[in-house]
Amino acid sequence: EAGVTQFPSHSVIEKGQTVTLRCDPISGHDNLYWYRRVMGKEIKFLLHFVKESKQDESGMPNNRFLAERTGGTYSTLKVQPAELEDSGVYFCASSQVRELGQYFGPGTRLTVT
Amino acid sequence: ILNVEQSPQSLHVQEGDSTNFTCSFPSSNFYALHWYRWETAKSPEALFVMTLNGDEKKKGRISATLNTKEGYSYLYIKGSQPEDSATYLCAPYNQGGKLIFGQGTELSVKP
Repeated sequence: EAGVTQFPSHSVIEKGQTVTLRCDPISGHDNLYWYRRVMGKEIKFLLHFVKESKQDESGMPNNRFLAERTGGTYSTLKVQPAELEDSGVYFCASSQVRELGQYFGPGTRLTVT
Repeated sequence: ILNVEQSPQSLHVQEGDSTNFTCSFPSSNFYALHWYRWETAKSPEALFVMTLNGDEKKKGRISATLNTKEGYSYLYIKGSQPEDSATYLCAPYNQGGKLIFGQGTELSVKP
């Protein structure tokens, strides 16, 4: 069984540019989560999809962040325009049952210069 | 769940030493707790999902206990090996489904 995959693994962009991160969850997992770890701090929740619907987006920092999950399969997280404080590792996780076992991808390391 | 604390923040041990870390969390509205092992540039790997007060789980040389009444969990590693070097993350969650992570304990095991 393939795990959660994320693309790209690294991205370096300039302040003001746009970046789109992609997450492919484990096949059959309806629940998809985005998390972020800013340098030196804890991993923080961004949002939760159930299929194509946003279940909880309380962790999204501001309206520069837009997440989509068209068709309930893969998801994208767009940051536009990027700011310096957006630098960090963006993780995606998926689960079959909401309360149990979230499987994480390797993360996308975003650096905004 | 507002605040999850892990201690120590970092730990340096010699190969063969046994070690343990602590995860403290608010005990109200508790549903379950995850322990993850994370090496940089890799996926955080799920070690345990714990739900019941008094739970004790074991995976090889790693074990964990849970006390939901007082709001803590311990992770133990017996006979640490260099390949155990990683950051160990605990993440309780309530029925909302989102994980609330501590800052992690960074373990370094020297040969």
